[in-house]
Amino acid sequence: GAGVSQSPRYKVAKRGQDVALRCDPISGHVSLFWYQQALGQGPEFLTYFQNEAQLDKSGLPSDRFFAERPEGSVSTLKIQRTQQEDSAVYLCASSLAPRRDSSYNEQFFGPGTRLTVL
Amino acid sequence: KQEVTQIPAALSVPEGENLVLNCSFTDSAIYNLQWFRQDPGKGLTSLLLIQSSQREQTSGRLNASLDKSSGRSTLYIAASQPGDSATYLCAVRPPLQAGNTGKLIFGQGTTLQVKP
Repeated sequence: GAGVSQSPRYKVAKRGQDVALRCDPISGHVSLFWYQQALGQGPEFLTYFQNEAQLDKSGLPSDRFFAERPEGSVSTLKIQRTQQEDSAVYLCASSLAPRRDSSYNEQFFGPGTRLTVL
Repeated sequence: KQEVTQIPAALSVPEGENLVLNCSFTDSAIYNLQWFRQDPGKGLTSLLLIQSSQREQTSGRLNASLDKSSGRSTLYIAASQPGDSATYLCAVRPPLQAGNTGKLIFGQGTTLQVKP
């Protein structure tokens, strides 16, 4: 299993609960991305890490969303006080390095976590 | 702001037919374009990646073309099979420059059904 893994695969939360979603990127991949995919839509960018540094969080929809990657490998996306509109599939992707060569830039996606907020 | 559109949203064809999926983008300044496949409840599988300097890429029965100046890409699937049934997504990557972190901008996808 050398691919990107995510856990849990499914999460049901009551409105107002906090949730934490985990992403294990491919070993050695420097870049890590989180995307949100609403039903019937394409994924939308949330945030980007280069190693442990969060370089872009422009896609996070509110301050209830928080992401971290403290050791530059595993990442956690946390959503506080979940709302029904947070229901979506959360996808994680990693790539080798932010370099011009396309082989380094190709993003590999995990299976996603489907979050349902009741 | 870059926007990506895919037409049609859904497509149903009989097995064996050749088909074309369309993707258009509003800003021709891209670094690359990627086609993905997504099966229900699954993540994204990369099919083809075309650099901005390339015109097309081929893999088996799949051929993707890129016309950057007109902001269009097509994914051609030859001799379609029921196993090709899935949602196909195209995504563009903005140019590598300050402030662009490599995030992908996706279209909404085309859901393909190939009937036996």
